[in-house]
Amino acid sequence: DARVTQTPRHKVTEMGQEVTMRCQPILGHNTVFWYRQTMMQGLELLAYFRNRAPLDDSGMPKDRFSAEMPDATLATLKIQPSEPRDSAVYFCASGFPLGTAVRQFFGPGTRLTVL
Amino acid sequence: AQKITQTQPGMFVQEKEAVTLDCTYDTSDPSYGLFWYKQPSSGEMIFLIYQGSYDQQNATEGRYSLNFQKARKSANLVISASQLGDSAMYFCAMDGSNDMRFGAGTRLTVKP
Repeated sequence: DARVTQTPRHKVTEMGQEVTMRCQPILGHNTVFWYRQTMMQGLELLAYFRNRAPLDDSGMPKDRFSAEMPDATLATLKIQPSEPRDSAVYFCASGFPLGTAVRQFFGPGTRLTVL
Repeated sequence: AQKITQTQPGMFVQEKEAVTLDCTYDTSDPSYGLFWYKQPSSGEMIFLIYQGSYDQQNATEGRYSLNFQKARKSANLVISASQLGDSAMYFCAMDGSNDMRFGAGTRLTVKP
């Protein structure tokens, strides 16, 4: 049963530190998404890749966040420097076309706490 | 810009009864997809059901059905024969023009 994997599952860090979150999409999926979930803002789309090319990262604070797909088996989301307001659960999802949309499969998430 | 609205922050339903979770959306795209996801307390996001904007029939997946009213821009989720395990957050989402939006969610509690 193929699944999206995310590491680490939990991360506690101090303000100003660099944080890197990793995602292994399901083999064969050509689309990868990064989301952030907080109580206040709900689920927000941060970035979106298709065939490893970034399609949309307008939801991401550009000054401190960066998202990349160095190869088809790895997507990364980096925050540098981290701030307490970045505390959230970060989800990665991979997917394939379904009609005009994308059927997404979510990873278990990375719970980030920035002190 | 696309927008998804879920007006029910919380809902209660008696076990074995049916419940409808509301979702309205706003988009100028002629082509889009509508999804419902379930998020139990464990935090994972579980896909429930999908409806394409051009689909003529309402989608069904087991006990889940989507009441799609395109003219009213609504995509309500109907859960039949509720079970205690259905207690969770439910999110409506829309995918159109490379823009994926989620609603604020509805917390469903199934009472025994």
